[in-house]
Formats: sequence, structure tokens, C-alpha cells
Amino acid sequence: DQQVKQNSPSLSVQEGRISILNCDYTNSMFDYFLWYKKYPAEGPTFLISISSIKDKNEDGRFTVFLNKSAKHLSLHIVPSQPGDSAVYFCAARGTSYDKVIFGPGTSLSVIP
Amino acid sequence: DVKVTQSSRYLVKRTGEKVFLECVQDMDHENMFWYRQDPGLGLRLIYFSYDVKMKEKGDIPEGYSVSREKKERFSLILESASTNQTSMYLCASSLLVRQGLFFGSGTQLSVL
Repeated sequence: DQQVKQNSPSLSVQEGRISILNCDYTNSMFDYFLWYKKYPAEGPTFLISISSIKDKNEDGRFTVFLNKSAKHLSLHIVPSQPGDSAVYFCAARGTSYDKVIFGPGTSLSVIP
Repeated sequence: DVKVTQSSRYLVKRTGEKVFLECVQDMDHENMFWYRQDPGLGLRLIYFSYDVKMKEKGDIPEGYSVSREKKERFSLILESASTNQTSMYLCASSLLVRQGLFFGSGTQLSVL
């Protein structure tokens, strides 16, 4: 049973507009959430993280929002650029040590 | 910059062969991880290690074992490769989860 879910396999957005990627989780004991970006034939690269005691974290064009009561987080990219086209993974730290669990990913296409 | 190096980018093996995937990190990180990435399934955790000679099973450890004799090196072993182990294998290391996991470029393993 997947503990981290990304229900949209793909998303298309016009260049310059906002991209919103969503993630849901089932385990209320997760205490840290992370977003990764992955290009084909490369390893994932870390984008941004958020602690469960916060509801928002911002880094440049990237903002992550956390709604603990809904067990939902989202990544906002503003403005979207063609170079943002990649697969985005949501991840959460589990309850033991630093075990990190990933969702299935959302493929983002930013159209020029 | 953190560097996580996986010994091979592409590997082709026969069913029943013993396969070793090697991973080395150069930042003295405590935690190291092995994931496999499959279409539609995202990254699934096979094993992780939080210290030398310490290991914990991830979500899909069956058919795999690991070895961590030195802090910088984490090896994934397929005791008897099978075709359903054809996948992209990704190694990662981390010091603090909030700083993210640092991934290698991946090894695309094909088992024929």
C-alpha cells in the first residue's frame, strides 16, 4: 500500500504560468517532506523540503505548502520555465531512522 | 559538492548470475540508500544503512542483500538475478534529511 501518493501521472503548463504538483500521504508520523526533480538518465536532484511543524517553505521559484490535517502537500513553481520539464517526486521521511519513501512521480511538461 | 558515484551506468546480466552494484560517496554521510525506479511505481526503497555494518530493509528487499564495510561504500547484491529485477537502480546518501538525499546517476540493469 503506497504511503506517498501522487495521483496525477502528468501535467502540462504554459511557460510563465504556475505549475502546481500535488502529493498526499497516509502516515501521520511522517515528520519531513521533500521534493525532487528527475531528468531522464540522471539521478533525482533535491529541490526543497519542509518540516511537519511548518506549513510553507519557499526557495526562489519553488514553494512547498503542507496541510497536515488533510495529509496533503503541494509544490508550486512560479513562473514555470521549459527547463522545469521533468518528473517530480514527492518524498517523506518515515518513522525509523532516516528512511525516505517516494511517491510514483508526476511528469511535468512546460510548453513554450 | 557531494558526489555519489555508481560503478556502472549500464549493465547486462544473465538470469541466475550474482550481480554487484557499487556505490561510493565522498562526503562522509552517515546514511546511504538503494532504490529502484520503475515506470508508474516511482522510487522504491530496497535497503538503507545508517552506519557502517548497519542495515535496514526497505519496502522491497526480497532477492537483494547489501554490504557496508566502509562508511563511504554501500553495495547492493543480487544473489541470483531474475528478469523482474531489470530496472534502474539508484544509490543515495544523506547527512541530514532536511538537506535532502544526494543521488548517483543510476545503473540501468537488464537481466536477460
